[in-house]
Amino acid sequence: DIVLTQSPGTLSLSPGQRATLSCRASQTLSSNYLAWYQQKPGQAPRLLIYGASNRATGIPDRFTGRGSGTDFTLTISRLEPEDFAVYYCHQYGGLSPYSFGRGTRLDI
Amino acid sequence: QITLRESGPALVKPTETLTLTCTFSGFSLSYSGVAVGWFRQPPGKALEWLALVYWDDDKKYSPSLRTRVSITKGSSNHVVLTMNNMNRVDTGTYYCAYFVPEPVSGYYLGDVWGQGALVTVSS
Repeated sequence: DIVLTQSPGTLSLSPGQRATLSCRASQTLSSNYLAWYQQKPGQAPRLLIYGASNRATGIPDRFTGRGSGTDFTLTISRLEPEDFAVYYCHQYGGLSPYSFGRGTRLDI
Repeated sequence: QITLRESGPALVKPTETLTLTCTFSGFSLSYSGVAVGWFRQPPGKALEWLALVYWDDDKKYSPSLRTRVSITKGSSNHVVLTMNNMNRVDTGTYYCAYFVPEPVSGYYLGDVWGQGALVTVSS
């Protein structure tokens, strides 16, 4: 099974700053089947990025996904107050079962 | 607009079987290429995938839970998840989600999620 390791566990920043979140896979994701979700307290996860770098419908362009192979990042260029949440990376392809990282908590 | 809603018991006893229903609108599980899946999230912990059923009734399960979980297509807008032999570590929020093949790789991805149903396992 593919294990996803996210870092840091918690990131403390202020509105207007840039956030960079990392996700490393234990095996190469050959077709970049890597997604990012945002989850706020008491809410369902919201799809942000799929295919490592493609924004889902309605996602602002301050969210950027990059990476390939085993190393992926999610960058939020200028943090808005509503961006403070937990972010999960998620692999969804190949022969392995779906899996998630443990999440990065983005705190003010 | 696609919406999903989970329903079922909020409290189950250890060793009992959990049955959750996902009721959805805005699509039909009869449509080619569509799937509905289940995830769960223990309090304060990460997400875990449980099961997936496709429009053609093909099914996939998490290997770690395969012996305990079953997913079934109900009527045209229901999917049912059952999990037997519940224990305290199964406490958490259970989500169903609408899956479609994402346009780049073609692999199925949970695009729209329900709000979740909290299930507590306690005697």
